[in-house]
Amino acid sequence: DIQMTQSPSSLSAAVGDRVAITCRASQTISIYLNWYQQKPGKAPKLLIYAASNLQGGVPSRFSGSGSGTDFTLTISSLQPEDFATYYCQQSHSTPRTFGQGTKVEIK
Amino acid sequence: QVQLVQSGAEVKKPGASVRVSCKASGYTFTNYYMHWVRQAPGQGLEWMGIINPSDGRTTYAQKFQARVTMTRDTSTSTVYLDLIYLRSEDTAVYYCASPIAAAGGGFDNWGQGTLVTVSS
Repeated sequence: DIQMTQSPSSLSAAVGDRVAITCRASQTISIYLNWYQQKPGKAPKLLIYAASNLQGGVPSRFSGSGSGTDFTLTISSLQPEDFATYYCQQSHSTPRTFGQGTKVEIK
Repeated sequence: QVQLVQSGAEVKKPGASVRVSCKASGYTFTNYYMHWVRQAPGQGLEWMGIINPSDGRTTYAQKFQARVTMTRDTSTSTVYLDLIYLRSEDTAVYYCASPIAAAGGGFDNWGQGTLVTVSS
């Protein structure tokens, strides 16, 4: 199975900050990497697919980069509605493993 | 528009089984795989398995292999998750999710989630 490791597990940031979350795969997954945002009591929401493609309706302050084993989700200017938990997921092979999540909290 | 509508919350005793349903609408049901993902309270997302609604073929995560069955009914565009021999650790929200429009397999559509509580 491919293991997905996110860092950090949590972070505190202020509105307007630039935030970066990294995700590392235990083996190469090309660009088969997706990012989700989850708010309490809600289903996850797809933000970025295939490493760098912005899902429709997602604000352009979100961006994704990387290929192979190392990936980054960047929020260019954190907004109040962005405080949530973020997960990476590989869609290269089954099982479709997720990272452990990164909780973004208000500083 | 695409909708995945799941069945309601369940409370089960240890050792029992549960069936969760996920009814799809707004797209051609047999054209897209359906996945099941669960989330225990306060925990992360855990992938359980996948079903091809076209032919019913499945792949399960090793952890659930002995206890899970995923099926589909093409006449009602519904997929089902059956989990047997429930234990307290199975208390979680169960989601169906499907990669429909996003290339590369990202889950761009999710059900609303079904809370399954296992308690004596």
